[in-house]
Amino acid sequence: SQQGEEDPQALSIQEGENATMNCSYKTSINNLQWYRQNSGRGLVHLILIRSNEREKHSGRLRVTLDTSKKSSSLLITASRAADTASYFCATDDSSSGSARQLTFGSGTQLTVLP
Amino acid sequence: SQTIHQWPATLVQPVGSPLSLECTVEGTSNPNLYWYRQAAGRGLQLLFYSVGIGQISSEVPQNLSASRPQDRQFILSSKKLLLSDSGFYLCACNDRGSYEQYFGPGTRLTVT
Repeated sequence: SQQGEEDPQALSIQEGENATMNCSYKTSINNLQWYRQNSGRGLVHLILIRSNEREKHSGRLRVTLDTSKKSSSLLITASRAADTASYFCATDDSSSGSARQLTFGSGTQLTVLP
Repeated sequence: SQTIHQWPATLVQPVGSPLSLECTVEGTSNPNLYWYRQAAGRGLQLLFYSVGIGQISSEVPQNLSASRPQDRQFILSSKKLLLSDSGFYLCACNDRGSYEQYFGPGTRLTVT
């Protein structure tokens, strides 16, 4: 079943604007990750935030995590046309062992218009 | 860093035919391996994962199976395909002790 649900499902903005995507989940997690997928390609890991962290930055990306609300947001600042892609949150609630069983949301399709 | 190869890139198969998708990994040893399926416009569903040679865990009951004959080789198979098996199949890996997963380019399977 889908644990993470992204909002909005689709987002269209102008180049240079900021893009914000939200993710909600249902159970306790070890960490939450964001991935990017260009059309018809594999996923690329963007950023990971642990359950005891509230905010994390990486370049133009900023991720927040609110475990009390079971939600996360991904902010892409100063967007570029090359940021056009689908963005997925994935929650890691693996109980034990080395295998990380990620549960992916349904994704946000971001379109950045030049 | 890891590189994941998947083949074929696309496949069109009739209902009832067998399936074999292959995934190989470079740049790491003894990784955890994963098979995911993605329906059109949807997120990924974990199908199988493996923590070592011959060790396969299934997440979703189905007519698919997986095998890991070598450390860096992961195979997804079916004896008889169903229409519902159509989708985009992605292989992924991660190093032990690491949380992020690396994905292959995927195989688009259409069952007709």
